[in-house]
Amino acid sequence: SQQGEEDPQALSIQEGENATMNCSYKTSINNLQWYRQNSGRGLVHLILIRSNEREKHSGRLRVTLDTSKKSSSLLITASRAADTASYFCATANGGGRRALTFGSGTRLQVQP
Amino acid sequence: SAVISQKPSRDICQRGTSLTIQCQVDSQVTMMFWYRQQPGQSLTLIATANQGSEATYESGFVIDKFPISRPNLTFSTLTVSNMSPEDSSIYLCSAEGQGNTEAFFGQGTRLTVV
Repeated sequence: SQQGEEDPQALSIQEGENATMNCSYKTSINNLQWYRQNSGRGLVHLILIRSNEREKHSGRLRVTLDTSKKSSSLLITASRAADTASYFCATANGGGRRALTFGSGTRLQVQP
Repeated sequence: SAVISQKPSRDICQRGTSLTIQCQVDSQVTMMFWYRQQPGQSLTLIATANQGSEATYESGFVIDKFPISRPNLTFSTLTVSNMSPEDSSIYLCSAEGQGNTEAFFGQGTRLTVV
């Protein structure tokens, strides 16, 4: 079952603008990961943030994690048309469940 | 990091037939996972595949419909049996990362049942 919800479900922006996607989850986690999926193909790992981290950067990506609110955000700065894709957050809960639990996803459209 | 080769990348199958999807990992991994992604939806876990034991299935998925093999630490297969159009989805395999690290995914199999 889906643990997380993402918002917005869909986002359309102009090239050069920033895109922010939010993710909420329900249980305690070991880490939270963000993935990109182009045109329904495989997942590309973007960034992982551990439960004891609050913010992480990778190139044009910035991820925040608030474990008290059980939420995370992904910011893509200076977006490009090539960033058009679906973005998913996924949580690793540890314990007996080792698989990732995925959020509902955000479809990002970057207009050139 | 691990690289997962998944095949076939896509297939169109007749209803009532079965399709076996293969995933090969370039390193030994303890746990592998199979996910289904229905059109326009997120990923849902089908089962966890451990080497040397039966797969553990999530609620709503059964072994008769989705038999899984895990003969060694680098390979797994998922069979979609007695297919119907409702089985049309993307199926993805995944391997757990070592320690508190990222998971790795195959490129997915886009299955269309007609």
